[in-house]
Amino acid sequence: DQQVKQNSPSLSVQEGRISILNCDYTNSMFDYFLWYKKYPAEGPTFLISISSIKDKNEDGRFTVFLNKSAKHLSLHIVPSQPGDSAVYFCAASAKGGTSYGKLTFGQGTILTVHP
Amino acid sequence: NAGVTQTPKFQVLKTGQSMTLQCAQDMNHEYMSWYRQDPGMGLRLIHYSVGAGITDQGEVPNGYNVSRSTTEDFPLRLLSAAPSQTSVYFCASTPDSSYGYTFGSGTRLTVV
Repeated sequence: DQQVKQNSPSLSVQEGRISILNCDYTNSMFDYFLWYKKYPAEGPTFLISISSIKDKNEDGRFTVFLNKSAKHLSLHIVPSQPGDSAVYFCAASAKGGTSYGKLTFGQGTILTVHP
Repeated sequence: NAGVTQTPKFQVLKTGQSMTLQCAQDMNHEYMSWYRQDPGMGLRLIHYSVGAGITDQGEVPNGYNVSRSTTEDFPLRLLSAAPSQTSVYFCASTPDSSYGYTFGSGTRLTVV
Protein backbone atom coordinates (compact mmCIF):
# COMPACT_ATOMS: atom_id res chain seq x y z
CA ASP A 1 0.00 0.00 0.00
CA GLN A 2 1.86 3.03 -1.32
CA GLN A 3 0.72 5.92 0.88
CA VAL A 4 2.84 8.47 -0.99
CA LYS A 5 2.95 8.27 -4.77
CA GLN A 6 4.96 10.05 -7.42
CA ASN A 7 3.36 8.86 -10.62
CA SER A 8 5.89 10.40 -13.01
CA PRO A 9 9.14 8.41 -13.00
CA SER A 10 10.89 11.11 -15.03
CA LEU A 11 10.57 14.70 -16.24
CA SER A 12 12.63 16.55 -18.84
CA VAL A 13 12.63 20.38 -19.13
CA GLN A 14 14.65 23.11 -20.83
CA GLU A 15 16.93 25.34 -18.83
CA GLY A 16 15.10 28.50 -17.75
CA ARG A 17 11.64 26.91 -17.91
CA ILE A 18 9.47 25.77 -15.01
CA SER A 19 9.75 22.25 -13.58
CA ILE A 20 6.65 20.88 -11.84
CA LEU A 21 6.96 17.71 -9.83
CA ASN A 22 3.83 16.10 -8.45
CA CYS A 23 3.04 13.94 -5.44
CA ASP A 24 -0.18 12.35 -4.15
CA TYR A 25 -0.87 10.85 -0.76
CA THR A 26 -3.63 8.70 0.69
CA ASN A 27 -3.15 8.91 4.46
CA SER A 28 -5.28 11.76 5.83
CA MET A 29 -3.21 11.74 9.04
CA PHE A 30 -0.19 13.17 7.21
CA ASP A 31 0.30 16.79 8.27
CA TYR A 32 3.86 17.60 7.26
CA PHE A 33 5.32 17.24 3.78
CA LEU A 34 8.87 17.49 2.54
CA TRP A 35 10.81 17.39 -0.72
CA TYR A 36 14.28 15.91 -0.96
CA LYS A 37 16.78 16.06 -3.79
CA LYS A 38 19.24 13.25 -4.45
CA TYR A 39 22.32 13.11 -6.63
CA PRO A 40 23.88 9.74 -7.59
CA ALA A 41 26.09 8.18 -4.89
CA GLU A 42 24.98 10.77 -2.32
CA GLY A 43 22.38 10.83 0.41
CA PRO A 44 19.13 12.77 -0.07
CA THR A 45 19.30 16.45 0.89
CA PHE A 46 16.36 18.34 2.34
CA LEU A 47 14.95 20.93 -0.04
CA ILE A 48 11.73 22.44 1.26
CA SER A 49 8.78 21.52 3.47
CA ILE A 50 5.22 22.55 4.15
CA SER A 51 2.88 22.09 7.09
CA SER A 52 -0.75 21.16 6.53
CA ILE A 53 -1.84 24.51 7.96
CA LYS A 54 -0.39 26.21 4.87
CA ASP A 55 -1.09 25.83 1.18
CA LYS A 56 2.13 27.35 -0.14
CA ASN A 57 5.75 27.72 0.93
CA GLU A 58 8.51 29.45 -1.03
CA ASP A 59 12.28 29.31 -0.78
CA GLY A 60 14.10 31.07 -3.58
CA ARG A 61 13.47 29.24 -6.85
CA PHE A 62 11.53 26.47 -5.08
CA THR A 63 7.85 26.62 -4.19
CA VAL A 64 5.73 23.83 -2.74
CA PHE A 65 1.95 23.87 -3.07
CA LEU A 66 -0.37 21.74 -0.95
CA ASN A 67 -3.97 20.89 -1.85
CA LYS A 68 -5.32 19.05 1.18
CA SER A 69 -8.74 18.33 -0.27
CA ALA A 70 -7.12 16.59 -3.24
CA LYS A 71 -4.32 15.08 -1.11
CA HIS A 72 -1.87 16.47 -3.62
CA LEU A 73 1.30 18.49 -3.45
CA SER A 74 3.62 19.84 -6.07
CA LEU A 75 7.11 21.30 -6.24
CA HIS A 76 7.74 24.14 -8.69
CA ILE A 77 11.27 25.08 -9.70
CA VAL A 78 11.58 28.40 -11.52
CA PRO A 79 13.79 28.93 -13.43
CA SER A 80 15.16 25.41 -13.85
CA GLN A 81 18.94 25.03 -14.06
CA PRO A 82 21.09 22.10 -15.25
CA GLY A 83 22.36 21.67 -11.68
CA ASP A 84 18.78 20.84 -10.66
CA SER A 85 19.05 17.55 -12.53
CA ALA A 86 18.60 14.91 -9.81
CA VAL A 87 16.06 12.52 -8.32
CA TYR A 88 13.36 14.31 -6.31
CA PHE A 89 11.55 12.51 -3.50
CA CYS A 90 8.34 13.59 -1.88
CA ALA A 91 7.92 12.56 1.78
CA ALA A 92 5.22 12.87 4.42
CA SER A 93 4.87 12.44 8.15
CA ALA A 94 2.20 12.60 10.84
CA LYS A 95 2.99 14.38 14.09
CA GLY A 96 0.65 12.34 16.19
CA GLY A 97 0.23 8.74 17.21
CA THR A 98 2.47 5.87 16.22
CA SER A 99 3.70 7.68 13.08
CA TYR A 100 5.51 10.36 15.08
CA GLY A 101 8.96 10.95 13.63
CA LYS A 102 8.51 8.58 10.69
CA LEU A 103 8.87 9.70 7.09
CA THR A 104 7.06 7.92 4.26
CA PHE A 105 8.64 8.49 0.85
CA GLY A 106 7.36 8.37 -2.69
CA GLN A 107 9.16 6.46 -5.43
CA GLY A 108 11.01 9.49 -6.76
CA THR A 109 11.01 11.47 -10.03
CA ILE A 110 14.14 11.85 -12.13
CA LEU A 111 14.39 15.47 -13.29
CA THR A 112 16.63 16.27 -16.24
CA VAL A 113 17.21 19.92 -17.14
CA HIS A 114 18.68 20.39 -20.61
CA PRO A 115 20.93 23.39 -21.37
CA ASN B 1 30.86 19.34 12.00
CA ALA B 2 30.70 15.94 10.24
CA GLY B 3 26.88 15.57 10.21
CA VAL B 4 25.74 11.96 9.71
CA THR B 5 28.57 9.49 9.11
CA GLN B 6 27.94 6.01 7.75
CA THR B 7 30.47 3.20 7.53
CA PRO B 8 31.34 1.24 5.50
CA LYS B 9 30.49 2.85 2.14
CA PHE B 10 30.53 -0.48 0.32
CA GLN B 11 30.18 -4.07 1.53
CA VAL B 12 29.82 -7.48 -0.06
CA LEU B 13 28.44 -10.28 2.12
CA LYS B 14 27.79 -13.92 1.56
CA THR B 15 24.33 -15.30 2.26
CA GLY B 16 24.00 -16.12 5.95
CA GLN B 17 26.73 -13.78 7.15
CA SER B 18 25.98 -11.11 9.73
CA MET B 19 27.26 -7.57 9.91
CA THR B 20 26.63 -4.17 11.45
CA LEU B 21 26.20 -0.96 9.49
CA GLN B 22 27.45 1.95 11.56
CA CYS B 23 25.79 5.35 11.82
CA ALA B 24 26.97 8.27 13.94
CA GLN B 25 25.82 11.89 14.15
CA ASP B 26 27.48 14.78 15.96
CA MET B 27 24.53 17.20 15.96
CA ASN B 28 22.91 15.97 19.18
CA HIS B 29 19.79 14.96 17.25
CA GLU B 30 17.17 12.94 19.11
CA TYR B 31 15.53 11.32 16.09
CA MET B 32 17.44 8.79 13.97
CA SER B 33 16.24 6.45 11.23
CA TRP B 34 17.43 3.77 8.86
CA TYR B 35 16.11 3.55 5.30
CA ARG B 36 16.80 1.30 2.37
CA GLN B 37 16.56 2.46 -1.23
CA ASP B 38 15.66 0.02 -3.98
CA PRO B 39 14.97 0.81 -7.65
CA GLY B 40 11.38 2.00 -8.18
CA MET B 41 10.60 1.74 -4.46
CA GLY B 42 11.80 5.06 -3.09
CA LEU B 43 13.16 4.98 0.45
CA ARG B 44 11.54 2.59 2.88
CA LEU B 45 11.85 2.94 6.65
CA ILE B 46 13.50 -0.02 8.41
CA HIS B 47 13.79 1.12 12.04
CA TYR B 48 13.79 4.43 13.80
CA SER B 49 14.50 5.92 17.23
CA VAL B 50 13.12 8.97 19.04
CA GLY B 51 15.89 9.01 21.63
CA ALA B 52 18.51 6.92 23.42
CA GLY B 53 17.00 3.65 24.59
CA ILE B 54 13.87 4.00 22.41
CA THR B 55 13.49 2.25 19.06
CA ASP B 56 10.57 1.18 16.91
CA GLN B 57 9.95 -0.71 13.69
CA GLY B 58 9.35 0.88 10.36
CA GLU B 59 7.85 -0.49 7.17
CA VAL B 60 10.42 -3.23 6.43
CA PRO B 61 12.03 -4.35 9.75
CA ASN B 62 12.36 -8.10 9.16
CA GLY B 63 15.96 -9.34 9.17
CA TYR B 64 17.30 -6.21 10.87
CA ASN B 65 17.98 -5.26 14.49
CA VAL B 66 18.80 -1.89 16.02
CA SER B 67 19.71 -0.47 19.40
CA ARG B 68 20.28 3.10 20.59
CA SER B 69 22.52 3.17 23.64
CA THR B 70 23.75 6.75 23.02
CA THR B 71 22.31 9.82 21.31
CA GLU B 72 25.16 9.76 18.75
CA ASP B 73 25.09 6.17 17.48
CA PHE B 74 22.41 4.07 15.80
CA PRO B 75 23.87 0.83 14.37
CA LEU B 76 21.87 -1.45 12.08
CA ARG B 77 22.53 -5.18 12.39
CA LEU B 78 21.84 -7.73 9.68
CA LEU B 79 21.35 -11.01 11.47
CA SER B 80 21.68 -13.48 8.57
CA ALA B 81 22.16 -11.72 5.24
CA ALA B 82 19.93 -12.66 2.30
CA PRO B 83 20.15 -11.60 -1.37
CA SER B 84 16.87 -9.65 -0.85
CA GLN B 85 18.82 -7.34 1.47
CA THR B 86 21.00 -6.14 -1.41
CA SER B 87 20.28 -2.41 -1.36
CA VAL B 88 21.59 1.04 -0.54
CA TYR B 89 21.13 1.87 3.13
CA PHE B 90 20.76 5.40 4.46
CA CYS B 91 20.90 6.63 8.02
CA ALA B 92 19.29 9.96 8.90
CA SER B 93 18.81 12.21 11.90
CA THR B 94 16.79 15.26 12.93
CA PRO B 95 16.43 17.30 16.11
CA ASP B 96 12.64 17.23 15.84
CA SER B 97 10.03 15.70 13.56
CA SER B 98 9.11 19.23 12.43
CA TYR B 99 12.45 19.54 10.66
CA GLY B 100 13.86 17.76 7.64
CA TYR B 101 16.08 14.77 8.30
CA THR B 102 19.81 15.02 7.50
CA PHE B 103 20.98 11.94 5.63
CA GLY B 104 24.31 10.19 5.52
CA SER B 105 25.96 9.32 2.21
CA GLY B 106 24.82 5.71 2.29
CA THR B 107 26.16 2.16 2.42
CA ARG B 108 25.89 0.06 -0.73
CA LEU B 109 25.41 -3.56 0.35
CA THR B 110 25.54 -6.57 -1.96
CA VAL B 111 24.61 -10.02 -0.68
CA VAL B 112 25.75 -12.90 -2.90
